[in-house]
Amino acid sequence: DAGVTQSPTHLIKTRGQQVTLRCSPISGHKSVSWYQQVLGQGPQFIFQYYEKEERGRGNFPDRFSARQFPNYSSELNVNALLLGDSALYLCASSSGQGLTEAFFGQGTRLTVV
Amino acid sequence: KQEVTQIPAALSVPEGENLVLNCSFTDSAIYNLQWFRQDPGKGLTSLLLIQSSQREQTSGRLNASLDKSSGRSTLYIAASQPGDSATYLCAVDSGGYNKLIFGAGTRLAVHP
Repeated sequence: DAGVTQSPTHLIKTRGQQVTLRCSPISGHKSVSWYQQVLGQGPQFIFQYYEKEERGRGNFPDRFSARQFPNYSSELNVNALLLGDSALYLCASSSGQGLTEAFFGQGTRLTVV
Repeated sequence: KQEVTQIPAALSVPEGENLVLNCSFTDSAIYNLQWFRQDPGKGLTSLLLIQSSQREQTSGRLNASLDKSSGRSTLYIAASQPGDSATYLCAVDSGGYNKLIFGAGTRLAVHP
């Protein structure tokens, strides 16, 4: 069985540009969460989607948005990129809303120059 | 506001030692706690999940305990090996929607 897959693996963007990151959850999983991990720190929660509805949002500006599709895959969009948005973006999937194990993808390394 | 702290921040041990990694959290109202391993520049690998009603979980050489009342969890690694070298992260789910709050991690180096 395939695990959580994220694309692309690496990305370089210029300040002010927009970026879209993609995530495919484990087959059968209906919950997808997004995290940002800056070098040397633990991941920080950005969004959680369950059954295509937003169920949780972290303390991130409105430049960050996400959605979940009918096949439960998800996209994270970041507008007006800042240098500080450079980070590893991680996607996690789980089978339910909570009380279940979270499985992470390999991440997308975003560099803003 | 839930905060998670991991001690020590870094640890270097010779191969074969048994070791303990610590995780503490400020709000005892959690749904579960999960331990992860992260290799440099990579994603997270789930090691153990402890539900709030459980006291411990074991997988191979790993054993994790949970004491909700004191806001603590420990990850015990038996007979450490160089392949165990990685960053170990603990995370708590306080909201029930898999909104995980992470600690900053413990960077472990096991040398031959």
